[in-house]
Amino acid sequence: DGGITQSPKYLFRKEGQNVTLSCEQNLNHDAMYWYRQDPGQGLRLIYYSQIVNDFQKGDIAEGYSVSREKKESFPLTVTSAQKNPTAFYLCASSPDSEKLFFGSGTQLSVL
Amino acid sequence: KQEVTQIPAALSVPEGENLVLNCSFTDSAIYNLQWFRQDPGKGLTSLLLIQSSQREQTSGRLNASLDKSSGRSTLYIAASQPGDSATYLCAVSGAGSYQLTFGKGTKLSVIP
Repeated sequence: DGGITQSPKYLFRKEGQNVTLSCEQNLNHDAMYWYRQDPGQGLRLIYYSQIVNDFQKGDIAEGYSVSREKKESFPLTVTSAQKNPTAFYLCASSPDSEKLFFGSGTQLSVL
Repeated sequence: KQEVTQIPAALSVPEGENLVLNCSFTDSAIYNLQWFRQDPGKGLTSLLLIQSSQREQTSGRLNASLDKSSGRSTLYIAASQPGDSATYLCAVSGAGSYQLTFGKGTKLSVIP
């Protein structure tokens, strides 16, 4: 069953803690993206990767980090430097950097 | 900096009605425009993608138009159904850019 899998669906972070959101795709897409969505807002780009072992900052990269060691995987770490991490996080992939395919999202909340 | 605006923020219509959702963007130098659907607590599903050289795209009951010079796009939904209830977002990409700029969306409710 092809697609993009994000886990976990819900995640809670304690103050000062780093947490990692998982994104895996079996679509053989080269490009992968992380977006943040706040209630009633559009999506904002955090990081993107066009190829393995390479990634670029988006509009709101501060307080986040990523890695792209495998084509299928693009994990996002929300660090303690991100002071307002509560949001809905969406991972996407694309075969051509045009049409995007999204995962089902991870809701991150602060305890 | 590109800005994308969607009006109205919310729309409620009776089942069977035809409707139009609006999207406007400030910089006409776009590469393409996409319309997405988002159900509550879910990811986005791509509905239609219009290249900058195209005027419209159709898929089933959906028709999207693009007027690049005026910075506007519309999504037309024919014979609306309760299953069409969702938030619809439009997004534009700039020439030579991999980044999409999203609008805040229009929340559509189709009343049976």
